[in-house]
Amino acid sequence: QQPVQSPQAVILREGEDAVINCSSSKALYSVHWYRQKHGEAPVFLMILLKGGEQKGHDKISASFNEKKQQSSLYLTASQLSYSGTYFCGTVNPYSGAGSYQLTFGKGTKLSVIP
Amino acid sequence: GAGVSQSPRYKVAKRGQDVALRCDPISGHVSLFWYQQALGQGPEFLTYFQNEAQLDKSGLPSDRFFAERPEGSVSTLKIQRTQQEDSAVYLCASSLGASGGFYNEQFFGPGTRLTVL
Repeated sequence: QQPVQSPQAVILREGEDAVINCSSSKALYSVHWYRQKHGEAPVFLMILLKGGEQKGHDKISASFNEKKQQSSLYLTASQLSYSGTYFCGTVNPYSGAGSYQLTFGKGTKLSVIP
Repeated sequence: GAGVSQSPRYKVAKRGQDVALRCDPISGHVSLFWYQQALGQGPEFLTYFQNEAQLDKSGLPSDRFFAERPEGSVSTLKIQRTQQEDSAVYLCASSLGASGGFYNEQFFGPGTRLTVL
């Protein structure tokens, strides 16, 4: 089941904040966040493994609400380099398929303008 | 660098041709994934290897798609009798642990852009 991301796109001015949400209709066990710039490979941002876990990386942080089956990515004081498409990926280790495949959302396109 | 590499970066094939896409994962990485990414979409899982064992091929769209990793390092994704709907970017990712993407980040290669005419 593909997680749902919102918003689909957002435009920010430098220095503004943004929140990207990722929700699932099924239980979440692991949530990954990646950023992909046009024509490039997705780049890892962070993994959240436990419900309620929060992580931070520079001015990018994320939370994981197990009960609500959702994760949010917070970008504060955005910089031009934050532009790109952000994907959340969820993992279900109990799928029975013998792998820990990531199921990615459709992405949120973030554009930071001067 | 010691990242994931893929070749070729671009491939144009005529409908009906066979293609082979190569992935060189980071040395020592146990897990290897193949994804297909259509324009404007997120990557979609195709198949997973743990060392040389293909543990999950549930995402392969048809029996025209075949992947192998015979020595547990380099992997090849082969598409037989290509169709226009196969046009996409094919991404390879590797991960250190045997638990695939659960605990560990996945390192993605730059992808191969396949265009089927």
